[in-house]
Amino acid sequence: DQQVKQNSPSLSVQEGRISILNCDYTNSMFDYFLWYKKYPAEGPTFLISISSIKDKNEDGRFTVFLNKSAKHLSLHIVPSQPGDSAVYFCAASARAAGNKLTFGGGTRVLVKP
Amino acid sequence: EAQVTQNPRYLITVTGKKLTVTCSQNMNHEYMSWYRQDPGLGLRQIYYSMNVEVTDKGDVPEGYKVSRKEKRNFPLILESPSPNQTSLYFCASRPAHRSDSNQPQHFGDGTRLSIL
Repeated sequence: DQQVKQNSPSLSVQEGRISILNCDYTNSMFDYFLWYKKYPAEGPTFLISISSIKDKNEDGRFTVFLNKSAKHLSLHIVPSQPGDSAVYFCAASARAAGNKLTFGGGTRVLVKP
Repeated sequence: EAQVTQNPRYLITVTGKKLTVTCSQNMNHEYMSWYRQDPGLGLRQIYYSMNVEVTDKGDVPEGYKVSRKEKRNFPLILESPSPNQTSLYFCASRPAHRSDSNQPQHFGDGTRLSIL
């Protein structure tokens, strides 16, 4: 059973608008969450992270929100740009489990000019 | 330039023919890991290594072997590949000290294996 789920396999958004990517998890031991971005023929690259002691972390156009009670996190991209078109993976880790990363299935984002 | 290098990038081979995918990192990272990516399943960990001569199973280790004789290298070995090992493989590394344990992993560009 997948402990980290991204229920939307794809998302299409107009350039300049907000992209919202969602991620749900089931393991209450997870205490650190990351988003990775992946272009075709390249490896995933780190985008932004959040510790479970926070509920929001912002880095430029990217903001991650964490709702621990709902076991839900989301990534907001504002404004969306064509270069943001990629696959985004949500990942979670638990210090008690040696910080092993557990990934969601990914969401493919297409930003239309 | 800090990087994780995987070779080969693409390989088509046949069932039962042993193969090795090499992984090398130049960041002096203690922790290295192998993942496979399959549609809808994201990345699943195959094996990981906390340091030289220390390796452990991930979530999907069956059919794979690894070794960590040197800090920079972490090869993935398929002794007798089968078609269900057709996948996209990624190697990754990060520091493993306690203070760095939440440092994000750096990934290689992937190796696409097709086992016929």
